[in-house]
Amino acid sequence: KAGVTQTPRYLIKTRGQQVTLSCSPISGHRSVSWYQQTPGQGLQFLFEYFSETQRNKGNFPGRFSGRQFSNSRSEMNVSTLELGDSALYLCASSDSRGAQETQYFGPGTRLLVL
Amino acid sequence: DQQVKQNSPSLSVQEGRISILNCDYTNSMFDYFLWYKKYPAEGPTFLISISSIKDKNEDGRFTVFLNKSAKHLSLHIVPSQPGDSAVYFCAASAIRSGGGADGLTFGKGTHLIIQP
Repeated sequence: KAGVTQTPRYLIKTRGQQVTLSCSPISGHRSVSWYQQTPGQGLQFLFEYFSETQRNKGNFPGRFSGRQFSNSRSEMNVSTLELGDSALYLCASSDSRGAQETQYFGPGTRLLVL
Repeated sequence: DQQVKQNSPSLSVQEGRISILNCDYTNSMFDYFLWYKKYPAEGPTFLISISSIKDKNEDGRFTVFLNKSAKHLSLHIVPSQPGDSAVYFCAASAIRSGGGADGLTFGKGTHLIIQP
């Protein structure tokens, strides 16, 4: 099976702009989670989507949003970008058959906000 | 408040010897624990996991031990190989009453360096 794919891999934006990142999960996986990795805060959970619904949410402002499509692909949007949003954004998928799920990560999208 | 802690930012081990990476947690609701390996500019790669109902899980060179009473887990790599040099993250999750699990809570990582 192909792994989790994320596009684009690299992105440069300026403050105030918005950005949309895309994630395609492993075939058959219905749950998609998003994480932000920064040097200071480490890896932090943003939100999780399952069956096109946000099922769980981390502690991030409303500028961070997402959605999931019927084919389980997911997009994450960040509006009104701030310098502190510069980070590696990681998407992970799981088959969500049980509560104890292993999440498999994509390569990430490196976002630089200038 | 860090719920998952990896207190050693880095660890240097000779090739062929055992690498032991440690992780402590504070949230007693965590019931599933995972170890990931990460290279720079790549996503984390899943290594091994353990459920809270077990105290040991083994997969090839990798063994994870869980001590629930101490809220401590460790990853043993035997024997260590040069390709094991990477950052290792400990992660934990808890069951949600509405289904599925909470998002993974990660430690800050331990940079393992295997010396030839």
